[in-house]
Amino acid sequence: RKEVEQDPGPFNVPEGATVAFNCTYSNSASQSFFWYRQDCRKEPKLLMSVYSSGNEDGRFTAQLNRASQYISLLIRDSKLSDSATYLCVVLTDSWGKLQFGAGTQVVVTP
Amino acid sequence: SAVISQKPSRDICQRGTSLTIQCQVDSQVTMMFWYRQQPGQSLTLIATANQGSEATYESGFVIDKFPISRPNLTFSTLTVSNMSPEDSSIYLCSGSETEAFFGQGTRLTVV
Repeated sequence: RKEVEQDPGPFNVPEGATVAFNCTYSNSASQSFFWYRQDCRKEPKLLMSVYSSGNEDGRFTAQLNRASQYISLLIRDSKLSDSATYLCVVLTDSWGKLQFGAGTQVVVTP
Repeated sequence: SAVISQKPSRDICQRGTSLTIQCQVDSQVTMMFWYRQQPGQSLTLIATANQGSEATYESGFVIDKFPISRPNLTFSTLTVSNMSPEDSSIYLCSGSETEAFFGQGTRLTVV
């Protein structure tokens, strides 16, 4: 079983709609959680950290459920520029070693 | 966050040769990592680059194939040795403090 699992998608989303997707992790001792965005042929870039209480950054909302070991990302009012692959990233130890999900592809259509 | 300059951005190499990828960070970072990303796949950690000591390799990766240097807290290199077409991939370096940040990646094609 992979340590971090994501639905690969693609999620085809009409512009202006809402899309949400989850990521599950297997290591219950995982410490920190992040969503990264990766555009085609580019390096991953931090979208947002995920806090236990849930957090929001503009149109993006992230949630963490430690009991069920998953995190989620919700994108409201989708823009064409939101089209990308969203990587779920889990910090598994205090040395900064990250585990990456395979990514969820989101395609926002006009 | 800090900025990493990674080079080369891409290369096409003959099998049997070696390529060294460099990453320069604009500030000191404690942890640096090297990843490989196959097309359509997630990032796979190759090794943790430790300053002043040997790198720590993940299962499936060995020092003879992927020697790593970390001479100081702002610089690291990864060499892909004795390359074969299976080594064709994107290689990314990463630094980590409160968050992870990445170099722009090296797109390697081995022919």
